[in-house]
Amino acid sequence: DVKVTQSSRYLVKRTGEKVFLECVQDMDHENMFWYRQDPGLGLRLIYFSYDVKMKEKGDIPEGYSVSREKKERFSLILESASTNQTSMYLCASIAQGVIHEQYFGPGTRLTVT
Amino acid sequence: GENVEQHPSTLSVQEGDSAVIKCTYSDSASNYFPWYKQELGKRPQLIIDIRSNVGEKKDQRIAVTLNKTAKHFSLHITETQPEDSAVYFCAASPPTGAGSYQLTFGKGTKLSVIP
Repeated sequence: DVKVTQSSRYLVKRTGEKVFLECVQDMDHENMFWYRQDPGLGLRLIYFSYDVKMKEKGDIPEGYSVSREKKERFSLILESASTNQTSMYLCASIAQGVIHEQYFGPGTRLTVT
Repeated sequence: GENVEQHPSTLSVQEGDSAVIKCTYSDSASNYFPWYKQELGKRPQLIIDIRSNVGEKKDQRIAVTLNKTAKHFSLHITETQPEDSAVYFCAASPPTGAGSYQLTFGKGTKLSVIP
């Protein structure tokens, strides 16, 4: 059974802090994604990665960066958190090649005050 | 890039009635169309998907139809039950050069099934 985990379910940070959100998957998936979910806006792609040390910008990358040093781990970094980054953050992974289900993590509810 | 529109944003039905959610997409190269269900406080989970070489797919009370010419696809839930209450997301994806799929999601439909 595929498992995608995220380091925190709830996180409260102050404006200007550097924030790290960690995601780990245990199915040797090549592809990993970070989304943010806001009411009425659905799931918006921030960044994704097809391989170790590889990253691609999604639809809303501004204010975020990512790191993928190991295949199983994909980190989202908020260099200087702002209140408009208060949101639910969802990580996902999917195997490469033949179409597979994209598996989501449980989400991290980030509040920036 | 791909753009997916989803309607309606909210939908209330009586238990036992049918529910239909519709999505349109913009990229004619898209060939994979999954539907995800997200219950309150939980992660989105795949409930059904369809590929561009198929016009319709059914799994018990859930069915999805695809019209490639019109670039729209729909989710049909029959005999709705209270446990169907959730937010439903459609998505579309063209194949990427890296041999994988990058999903673009609709904004979601909050379905409420009234007992």
